[in-house]
Amino acid sequence: KNEVEQSPQNLTAQEGEFITINCSYSVGISALHWLQQHPGGGIVSLFMLSSGKKKHGRLIATINIQEKHSSLHITASHPRDSAVYICAVRSTGTASKLTFGTGTRLQVTL
Amino acid sequence: KAGVTQTPRYLIKTRGQQVTLSCSPISGHRSVSWYQQTPGQGLQFLFEYFSETQRNKGNFPGRFSGRQFSNSRSEMNVSTLELGDSALYLCASSSRVQYGELFFGEGSRLTVL
Repeated sequence: KNEVEQSPQNLTAQEGEFITINCSYSVGISALHWLQQHPGGGIVSLFMLSSGKKKHGRLIATINIQEKHSSLHITASHPRDSAVYICAVRSTGTASKLTFGTGTRLQVTL
Repeated sequence: KAGVTQTPRYLIKTRGQQVTLSCSPISGHRSVSWYQQTPGQGLQFLFEYFSETQRNKGNFPGRFSGRQFSNSRSEMNVSTLELGDSALYLCASSSRVQYGELFFGEGSRLTVL
């Protein structure tokens, strides 16, 4: 079982829809990152969370440390949101490292 | 403020050769980490440096090595290249190790023939 599991793997939505991407992890973490990767490779950091909830524009990220679960929500989705969304967790301890989920490929159509 | 710069962006090598990739972090960032991205394995952690010290290393063979200089610029080297080393190599910089937001470069796409 992977340390970081994302769902769904693929998601197609119509413009304007509310979208949720889920991330579950099995290790103790100090932080969780949500990343966006567009075709061509460039990765952009959307959020870094260690507790609670953060909002930036139409994006909202939440984390429940007890349940080891995080969600990324996109309100009023737009075709420019089409990308791969990746959850990554920073493990605790001396061997702290970043472990990535397999990503969620989102396509938003008109 | 300039972003993270990786060079070269694209390169083609043959099996058995070696390659060196460079990463210049955002000014003031002392943490640099490297990642390998392949279609089959996704994103995997390679190593992480802070103030010239390697803090952690991922599960990669010894052919993969790296270093960080006093100006925080980092290089990674892969020796005796194998076909399976073909990948996008990404670096990220951060002002802090554990709780720092990550800023990624555009990556270096390596093709091994």
